[in-house]
Amino acid sequence: EAGVAQSPRYKIIEKRQSVAFWCNPISGHATLYWYQQILGQGPKLLIQFQNNGVVDDSQLPKDRFSAERLKGVDSTLKIQPAKLEDSAVYLCASSLGRDRTNEKLFFGSGTQLSVL
Amino acid sequence: AQSVTQPDIHITVSEGASLELRCNYSYGATPYLFWYVQSPGQGLQLLLKYFSGDTLVQGIKGFEAEFKRSQSSFNLRKPSVHWSDAAEYFCAVKDQAGTALIFGKGTTLSVSS
Repeated sequence: EAGVAQSPRYKIIEKRQSVAFWCNPISGHATLYWYQQILGQGPKLLIQFQNNGVVDDSQLPKDRFSAERLKGVDSTLKIQPAKLEDSAVYLCASSLGRDRTNEKLFFGSGTQLSVL
Repeated sequence: AQSVTQPDIHITVSEGASLELRCNYSYGATPYLFWYVQSPGQGLQLLLKYFSGDTLVQGIKGFEAEFKRSQSSFNLRKPSVHWSDAAEYFCAVKDQAGTALIFGKGTTLSVSS
């Protein structure tokens, strides 16, 4: 079974530049999550999609971050403009989406972003 | 709001020795509790989870965890550590509404020979 695919694996940009990350969840998974993991901390949820609708984006810095999940499959997370504090690993995860409490999340390997 | 505390930032154990990683949660009702492992360059992998019932749960790779309501704890244990267990371990909680996982800051496990 193919896992959650993310690209790119690494990205280095200068502050004020823009960057985009891509995620392809496991086939058939309705729920997709984007997490931000800053060095030395646990992952923090940025946004959760159920199919192509947003379930929770309360912790997404909407002045600079945006995400979309067109057609309810792939998703793109964008940062524009980037700040130094955005340096982190961005993790994508997916789940079946049939039981919000009792189901397993599958994580991708992440995109490591360095903002200089 | 629920939260998770992992008091130990870094732990080193000898190969073959037993392991216990601590996790304390803050939540009014019975939470859903999880342990994840993250190896370098790998995605997070679920080790085990607790929802209800038997307070001692078994997971993959020989790990187990015990839910203790009186102590608000969900400590991870393994009787004999292998060098391949060296990784970052995260405890996580989810409330009964099924909101997204809240992670602790993690504990880095090093295994010495």
